[in-house]
Amino acid sequence: SQKIEQNSEALNIQEGKTATLTCNYTNYSPAYLQWYRQDPGRGPVFLLLIRENEKEKRKERLKVTFDTTLKQSLFHITASQPADSATYLCALSGYSTLTFGKGTMLLVSP
Amino acid sequence: ETGVTQTPRHLVMGMTNKKSLKCEQHLGHNAMYWYKQSAKKPLELMFVYNFKEQTENNSVPSRFSPECPNSSHLFLHLHTLQPEDSALYLCASSQEPDSFSGNTIYFGEGSWLTVV
Repeated sequence: SQKIEQNSEALNIQEGKTATLTCNYTNYSPAYLQWYRQDPGRGPVFLLLIRENEKEKRKERLKVTFDTTLKQSLFHITASQPADSATYLCALSGYSTLTFGKGTMLLVSP
Repeated sequence: ETGVTQTPRHLVMGMTNKKSLKCEQHLGHNAMYWYKQSAKKPLELMFVYNFKEQTENNSVPSRFSPECPNSSHLFLHLHTLQPEDSALYLCASSQEPDSFSGNTIYFGEGSWLTVV
């Protein structure tokens, strides 16, 4: 069956460093992958979309890579700030609607 | 403001109560969704509506009853719920329901439901 894996443990980094979050998947051949940000008690907010034929996508301090051979996406936040602290979800195209991972919590300390 | 509005934000109900969650989207989208989010679990898709017709029901118990009177409004009627149904219920919308077309999903702020 389809499976999406994101690090269940929180990622703690210091302000100014680059945060790298991982999304691995199995039994999928997704056409594209999306990343969302979710703050506590609120709905997820769309950040970036990358298609299977794209290796990398950037938006301001955010960068996403998509390796269909490794079945992995990496999500980078450069020059991280405490305001970047949140849970980040990856979502893959499935047979009908998007399927979401559990998310990884990022904590950026001053 | 995400363009998707949910009410109420918080709801406490007894197992014998009947209540409803309401969702409205102001984005002109054709598809609307209900998701359930429990602690330490991924988002669980419950229902999908396309042009107010239900296109997906992910084996959701009948104590959850969706209603979509038009493409802008979506309800989730709740009755005889169990304590394990306590969760964050998220409404969402997208231009089209088919994930293959690269749709972005826009979520509401969610309704926190506690069943006592």
